[in-house]
Amino acid sequence: SAVISQKPSRDICQRGTSLTIQCQVDSQVTMMFWYRQQPGQSLTLIATANQGSEATYESGFVIDKFPISRPNLTFSTLTVSNMSPEDSSIYLCSVDPTGNADTQYFGPGTRLTVL
Amino acid sequence: GDSVTQMEGPVTLSEEAFLTINCTYTATGYPSLFWYVQYPGEGLQLLLKATKADDKGSNKGFEATYRKETTSFHLEKGSVQVSDSAVYFCALSDPNYGQNFVFGPGTRLSVLP
Repeated sequence: SAVISQKPSRDICQRGTSLTIQCQVDSQVTMMFWYRQQPGQSLTLIATANQGSEATYESGFVIDKFPISRPNLTFSTLTVSNMSPEDSSIYLCSVDPTGNADTQYFGPGTRLTVL
Repeated sequence: GDSVTQMEGPVTLSEEAFLTINCTYTATGYPSLFWYVQYPGEGLQLLLKATKADDKGSNKGFEATYRKETTSFHLEKGSVQVSDSAVYFCALSDPNYGQNFVFGPGTRLSVLP
């Protein structure tokens, strides 16, 4: 398994600003994922972040809006840029420690409210 | 593409009642199947998983059996507790989709004392 922490746990932001969310894992992992969970909804994959390569974004998500960094095997950041109220969601990072699509472990999430 | 369907919620039960949350899936390959639980204000926790047909995953009194013939992975618990109140997500991981997981819409369970 893996223990994952996220910062901040929650934030309230003004429209037009940006927020960077940090994800820290207690072990080295190749594959990290960023998800969005809109209020009362399921999880939607934003992007896959592998160390040493550019993040791979899912349909409907673009790098200009959600830039991702992956500087090493235990850390990643997701930035939500030029925010609007529609970006109010929980953002979760997850990891696949085995790299075999065996299991994903999730962080506690960052609850973002955009006014 | 792959998809996961879950029974509509919310589900409200009395303590010690029997729980079933239905989950069916569509996949092109032979996926692994998972149940995750999200307690209020928290992230997702892996509850149980099964990686091949007829496997049974179990944890904390919850069980689910991978049924390939009915493409189902229903979650059951014989006697629920108030502390089981949460949102339950069924998910699959299909090797044909790389490492991406597909999640169901979630089912909210409320257990009353």
